[in-house]
Amino acid sequence: EPEVTQTPSHQVTQMGQEVILRCVPISNHLYFYWYRQILGQKVEFLVSFYNNEISEKSEIFDDQFSVERPDGSNFTLKIRSTKLEDSAMYFCASSFGLAGGLDTQYFGPGTRLTVL
Amino acid sequence: DAKTTQPPSMDCAEGRAANLPCNHSTISGNEYVYWYRQIHSQGPQYIIHGLKNNETNEMASLIITEDRKSSTLILPHATLRDTAVYYCIVVSGAGSYQLTFGKGTKLSVIP
Repeated sequence: EPEVTQTPSHQVTQMGQEVILRCVPISNHLYFYWYRQILGQKVEFLVSFYNNEISEKSEIFDDQFSVERPDGSNFTLKIRSTKLEDSAMYFCASSFGLAGGLDTQYFGPGTRLTVL
Repeated sequence: DAKTTQPPSMDCAEGRAANLPCNHSTISGNEYVYWYRQIHSQGPQYIIHGLKNNETNEMASLIITEDRKSSTLILPHATLRDTAVYYCIVVSGAGSYQLTFGKGTKLSVIP
């Protein structure tokens, strides 16, 4: 069964460093998403991406964040200058993009980001 | 999107049916009810969704009341591996949309 994959599973970085989290969405999916979950808190939406553009973004997704689809298979989240509060699990998701509310997002296993 | 209300926790004996309720009294006509679960810190896993009819798949059944103001997710024979946080999410529209996760229901399956 096709699945969303994410690398690395765990990333440790120093505050102020740039990190890139990578995701390979399900191959025929057209919509891509990033969510994050700070330890013990809710899963929060960050951004959605379609046709090489950001479709929606939350207040969390400020200028320090960017997303890119550098090739036909990868979808990345970049944090330019990490802060302690960026420590969280980051989940990538993808969906096919069906009309009529039948679109279902499938999530990857997540990347645990630890900022020291 | 309509807000949902779920009990914070529930227990279920292994092998018994687990019935997880969700209230969504402000749901509108074009909004779907989706259920996801999250096992420990893994990525949320899609379970099932529905609009107004009851739905069943290999994982679970979804019962939606006639007025659509509430629903129940049924795991027919709960196993220890079903211990997770279960999220009921109301979603509208098509294409790009964000899922708004609440705190969900922590289901503990007890041997």
